Amino acid sequence: DIQMTQSPSSLSASVGDRVTITCRASQSISSYLNWYQQKPGKAPKLLIYAASLQSGVPSRFSGSGSGTDFTLTISSLQPEDFATYCCQQSYSTPYTFGQGTKLEIK
Amino acid sequence: EVQLVESGGGLVQPGGSLRLSCAASGFTFSSYWMHWVRQAPGKGLVWVSRINSDGSSTSYADSVKGRFTISRDNAKNTLYLQMNSLRAEDTAVYYCARVLYSSDAFDIWGQGTMVTVSS
Repeated sequence: DIQMTQSPSSLSASVGDRVTITCRASQSISSYLNWYQQKPGKAPKLLIYAASLQSGVPSRFSGSGSGTDFTLTISSLQPEDFATYCCQQSYSTPYTFGQGTKLEIK
Repeated sequence: EVQLVESGGGLVQPGGSLRLSCAASGFTFSSYWMHWVRQAPGKGLVWVSRINSDGSSTSYADSVKGRFTISRDNAKNTLYLQMNSLRAEDTAVYYCARVLYSSDAFDIWGQGTMVTVSS
């Protein structure tokens, strides 16, 4: 199975900050890397798929990377962005997720 | 509105069975591959199973293989997960999710249904 490792596991930041979360795959997954946002008690929401912005997601979110190393960047944090972020590889089953990064207000 | 609505969760004893349903609306269900993903309380997301658009191909996580069966009824726009021989470690919120063409990302998720396995 492909292991996905996210860092950091938690992060404190302020409104307006630029934030970067990283995800590393245990083997090459080409560009098959997706990012999700999840708020407490809610289903995950797709933000980025294969470095492309999902329809309806604000342009302050961006994703980059290929192979084994990937990043999610939020260019200017908004109050509604405080949530947990999770990466997922869709290169091969079993599709695996990172452990999540909890983004908290400083 | 594109929507997935799960049902069928609940409390079940170890060794018991449950069948989850996921009703789809607002899109051509029969054109999409579908997945089940679960999340234990306070834990991360874990992929469970997937099925192709016509139901002829399925795949499972090792942890559920031989116990869970994914299926679909395209005439009823409904996805199913039959769960047998349930264990305490199967306790989780179960989500159904639609796959985005070409990327296999999960673009639409249901609200989730809670399954609790306990005596």
